[in-house]
Amino acid sequence: KNEVEQSPQNLTAQEGEFITINCSYSVGISALHWLQQHPGGGIVSLFMLSSGKKKHGRLIATINIQEKHSSLHITASHPRDSAVYICAVSGVQGAQKLVFGQGTRLTINP
Amino acid sequence: GAGVSQTPSNKVTEKGKYVELRCDPISGHTALYWYRQSLGQGPEFLIYFQGTGAADDSGLPNDRFFAVRPEGSVSTLKIQRTERGDSAVYLCASSVDGFSNYGYTFGSGTRLTVV
Repeated sequence: KNEVEQSPQNLTAQEGEFITINCSYSVGISALHWLQQHPGGGIVSLFMLSSGKKKHGRLIATINIQEKHSSLHITASHPRDSAVYICAVSGVQGAQKLVFGQGTRLTINP
Repeated sequence: GAGVSQTPSNKVTEKGKYVELRCDPISGHTALYWYRQSLGQGPEFLIYFQGTGAADDSGLPNDRFFAVRPEGSVSTLKIQRTERGDSAVYLCASSVDGFSNYGYTFGSGTRLTVV
């Protein structure tokens, strides 16, 4: 079992829909990261969370430390939101490297 | 520079050849990471530098892989006797320090294809 599990692996929705991507992890961490990767492009950091909730524009990220679970929400989704969204954790066993989930491929149709 | 720069962006090489991949981190970032991403998978850790030294090289798959950061800025990932299974996107990231307090900035990656 991977240390970081994301669901769903693939998600297709219509423009305007509310999107939720989930991430569960099985180890102690110092922070959880949500990242965005466009086809052929690099990775962009969206959020870094150690507790609570963060909001940036139409993106909201939450984390429940006790349940070892995080969610990324996109409100009023748009085709330009289509990308792979990756959950990663840092601080596993004190190490500073990121441990990644397998990613969620999101497609928003017009 | 303004971001993390990786060169080349694409590299095609023949099986058995030697390749070098370069990462130029954000100026002043002491921590530098190399990851490898195979098609359809999340990135996997290779090696982490704090300054000039490799603080964690536990992700290097075998002794054909080696990385250096001699002056604490630019890093080079070196792969000897390349194999087809080495084909992947190699990602570099840097951060202000090694304690993930400030997040990470990623480069656009080098797509390596071994034929």
